Amino acid sequence: DQQVKQNSPSLSVQEGRISILNCDYTNSMFDYFLWYKKYPAEGPTFLISISSIKDKNEDGRFTVFLNKSAKHLSLHIVPSQPGDSAVYFCAASRTDSWGKLQFGAGTQVVVTP
Amino acid sequence: GAVVSQHPSRVICKSGTSVKIECRSLDFQATTMFWYRQFPKKSLMLMATSNEGSKATYEQGVEKDKFLINHASLTLSTLTVTSAHPEDSSFYICSASSGSAADTQYFGPGTRLTVL
Repeated sequence: DQQVKQNSPSLSVQEGRISILNCDYTNSMFDYFLWYKKYPAEGPTFLISISSIKDKNEDGRFTVFLNKSAKHLSLHIVPSQPGDSAVYFCAASRTDSWGKLQFGAGTQVVVTP
Repeated sequence: GAVVSQHPSRVICKSGTSVKIECRSLDFQATTMFWYRQFPKKSLMLMATSNEGSKATYEQGVEKDKFLINHASLTLSTLTVTSAHPEDSSFYICSASSGSAADTQYFGPGTRLTVL
């Protein structure tokens, strides 16, 4: 039962352009959402998060948008840089089960020069 | 940032043998550690949550007698895959947390297990 879905397995974007990664979830009890970045042979590293009481959170080049009615969130990276090439995972959790993260399958981002 | 290591990074074993994977928090005390499993092109699936000094809590469908978890100290948790079979071949990742918010979970680099 995949409660968090990333339907785009890969994304190619030109350096300097915007990368938009999408994530959908089915469990309306999720109230905290996170994005992780993963390089090969390394564990996921935390990028940015958003609570369900917000609809936007920004941190430098990274912005996460949350649309609760659509059960959809997106990660915007602008401008994209070659070092952003990695796999990005969307994750969701519930406050009452803190720490238990449900992950999407990931989106491989390739930033081309 | 906080560092979590896993050992070994890769292991190949024969069917029927047991394999132990270690997860260590190198520069912080981890009150809680999590074990995930990732199948190819699939998401990370939480297997179990372990708190130091207490029994692990397993997710539904995860056999606790198959995947033994020990969290004996605030810096070390181990996952033992007992009587491994080819279907146990997977990528196992641990994470460790000392905080109270979901974003304080730090992940290890993972262990690739191949059972022949």
